[in-house]
Amino acid sequence: NAGVTQTPKFQVLKTGQSMTLQCAQDMNHNSMYWYRQDPGMGLRLIYYSASEGTTDKGEVPNGYNVSRLNKREFSLRLESAAPSQTSVYFCASRGIQGLDTQYFGPGTRLTVL
Amino acid sequence: DAKTTQPPSMDCAEGRAANLPCNHSTISGNEYVYWYRQIHSQGPQYIIHGLKNNETNEMASLIITEDRKSSTLILPHATLRDTAVYYCIVRVASYGGSQGNLIFGKGTKLSVKP
Repeated sequence: NAGVTQTPKFQVLKTGQSMTLQCAQDMNHNSMYWYRQDPGMGLRLIYYSASEGTTDKGEVPNGYNVSRLNKREFSLRLESAAPSQTSVYFCASRGIQGLDTQYFGPGTRLTVL
Repeated sequence: DAKTTQPPSMDCAEGRAANLPCNHSTISGNEYVYWYRQIHSQGPQYIIHGLKNNETNEMASLIITEDRKSSTLILPHATLRDTAVYYCIVRVASYGGSQGNLIFGKGTKLSVKP
């Protein structure tokens, strides 16, 4: 039982490049989330998926797209990376019976030059 | 969701109990208290949550005052690995179909010293 996994762990992009961050959970959770964390700041929600087949914008969705591929996987895509998207990205999942107990992945550290 | 207030930092000696306070004086009757922590460079980790009664699990104990306006997270025997930022979050329980995102404030940076 790996919990929530994220790939890659580190990535360096040039401005304008695109990439997809992958997230998978093996806990059969319905809801999944993408957050970003900038230095010295709390987490901010980018997008979330309450259940398979649905996605919704969070607090800071501009510049990102998401896909809930199936119940296990939730990917985050940067179509044209910008230096302002340099951050640590965390994926999380939550079970329907779990109130607001969310389980987080280890994070992807992204630098955009 | 109710606002929380936590001290920015605390120190604790290894092996001693760490008591982390959280003030949530505007909490509503249907709001839960959640505690998470984030060890440096890792994803946040759920610790414990409660509504009214004190709670205990393998990681920690949560003491909620009778008026529910404050709470204390207790790590009974702190180790160096407990050095982290601890977040107190107060929110209404949300079930499937709703947003359910967590709003993390600045938390308390706990330093456990040998």
